[in-house]
Amino acid sequence: KAGVTQTPRYLIKTRGQQVTLSCSPISGHRSVSWYQQTPGQGLQFLFEYFSETQRNKGNFPGRFSGRQFSNSRSEMNVSTLELGDSALYLCASSPLTNTGELFFGEGSRLTVL
Amino acid sequence: AQSVTQPDIHITVSEGASLELRCNYSYGATPYLFWYVQSPGQGLQLLLKYFSGDTLVQGIKGFEAEFKRSQSSFNLRKPSVHWSDAAEYFCAVGAMNYGGSQGNLIFGKGTKLSVKP
Repeated sequence: KAGVTQTPRYLIKTRGQQVTLSCSPISGHRSVSWYQQTPGQGLQFLFEYFSETQRNKGNFPGRFSGRQFSNSRSEMNVSTLELGDSALYLCASSPLTNTGELFFGEGSRLTVL
Repeated sequence: AQSVTQPDIHITVSEGASLELRCNYSYGATPYLFWYVQSPGQGLQLLLKYFSGDTLVQGIKGFEAEFKRSQSSFNLRKPSVHWSDAAEYFCAVGAMNYGGSQGNLIFGKGTKLSVKP
């Protein structure tokens, strides 16, 4: 069974631009979560989607948004990029919404110049 | 406030020695507890989890963890460390709330493990 796939793996943007990251969950998983990982703040929850609905959102500004499609694939978007948005963005999928077990992708490393 | 504390930022152990990584949590509800491992350039992999029942849980790669409610701790242990165990380890807590959001885990800052030959 294929794991969680994130694209692109690496990208470089400049301040003010926007970026879209994609996540394909494990087949059959309907819950997708996004996390931001930085050396200073560690892993921070961005949002979770289940059946195309956002179930929860972390404490991030409105520049961070996401969506989930009917095939459970998810995208997150960051608009008006800031230097502080440089991070590893991890996507995780889960087979059920009540187990808490997450299966992580390898992440998309975003560098903002 | 809900939080997870991993007091040790970096630990170095000799190969073959025992290992204990500390984790303390603060959580209002009955917690789900997890340990994840991250190798350089990789995503996180689940080592083990505690939901309820036996407070000593076994995981993959020979790891185990013990849940101590009175101490709000969930320490990770391994009796004999292998060089391949060098990685960063994250403790996490989530809600035992069926129907609620289960993707919202609170992670500790991580403990980096180095293994000496």
